[in-house]
Amino acid sequence: EVQLVESGGGLVQPGRSLRLSCAASGFIFDDYAMYWVRQAPGKGLEWLSGISWDSGSIAYADSVKGRFTISRDNAGNSLYLQMNSLRPEDMALYYCARDRSAYNWGDAFDLWGQGTMVTVSS
Amino acid sequence: DIQMTQSPSSLSASVGDRVTITCRASQSISTYLNWYQHKPGKAPNLLIYAASSLQSGVPSRFSGSGSGTDFTLTISSLQPEDFATYYCQQSYSSPFTFGQGTRLEIK
Repeated sequence: EVQLVESGGGLVQPGRSLRLSCAASGFIFDDYAMYWVRQAPGKGLEWLSGISWDSGSIAYADSVKGRFTISRDNAGNSLYLQMNSLRPEDMALYYCARDRSAYNWGDAFDLWGQGTMVTVSS
Repeated sequence: DIQMTQSPSSLSASVGDRVTITCRASQSISTYLNWYQHKPGKAPNLLIYAASSLQSGVPSRFSGSGSGTDFTLTISSLQPEDFATYYCQQSYSSPFTFGQGTRLEIK
C-alpha cells in the first residue's frame, strides 16, 4: 500500500527539541521530493519545508528557518524534521507529503500522511 | 514570499448548488496553482493541480481555472461529501504557500 506514516510527536516544553519522522512505503521514495506541512489548532495549512529527491534543493518557511532542519534517508525510506527551540506557536498537527511528480521540485502534493501532533507547553 | 488570498473565508451552500472559490496570488505564478480539500481528522486531498488539471480519482464536478494571479475552483453541483475546507497553494516558488482556506458549510 502506498502510504506515509508520521511519528515522533508529543508534549515538549518551550525551548526544547523534537524530531519527527515520516516512514514511506509502497513507492520508490528516492524518486520524490518530500515536504512538511502543519496545521495549528483552529488554523489553516502552513507549508514548512521541502527537500528534493536527491537533497539538492531544500527550503523553509520564514517561521521555522534557522530552527527546523529537514532531512531524508533514502535507504531507509524516511523523511525527518528536526525541530529545535520550540515555541508555543509551533503546536500543531504535522503532516508529511509527497510531490506529485518524480524527479520534480515544487509540484502539488498528492500523498499525505495522517499527521503527528506536537504540543508545546510547560 | 508569494502571498495567497482566498475568498470568501467561509461559504454556506445547499446540496446541488454551484459554488465558486477564488484564490489570488500576490504576484504572477503562471498556472502553478493547486487546490486541496481538507476534512476534520483526515489528510488533505489533492483535487486540482496546475490550475486546471483534475487529479486522478477526483469527481468531474470539481474544476479549476485561471492563470497569472487569479484562479477559481468550481464545484458544479454540491454533494453532501463536499462540505469541507478548501485550500489553494502555489507551487511556483518556495516557500510553497497556502491560502488561508475557505470553509464550505451546509446551509
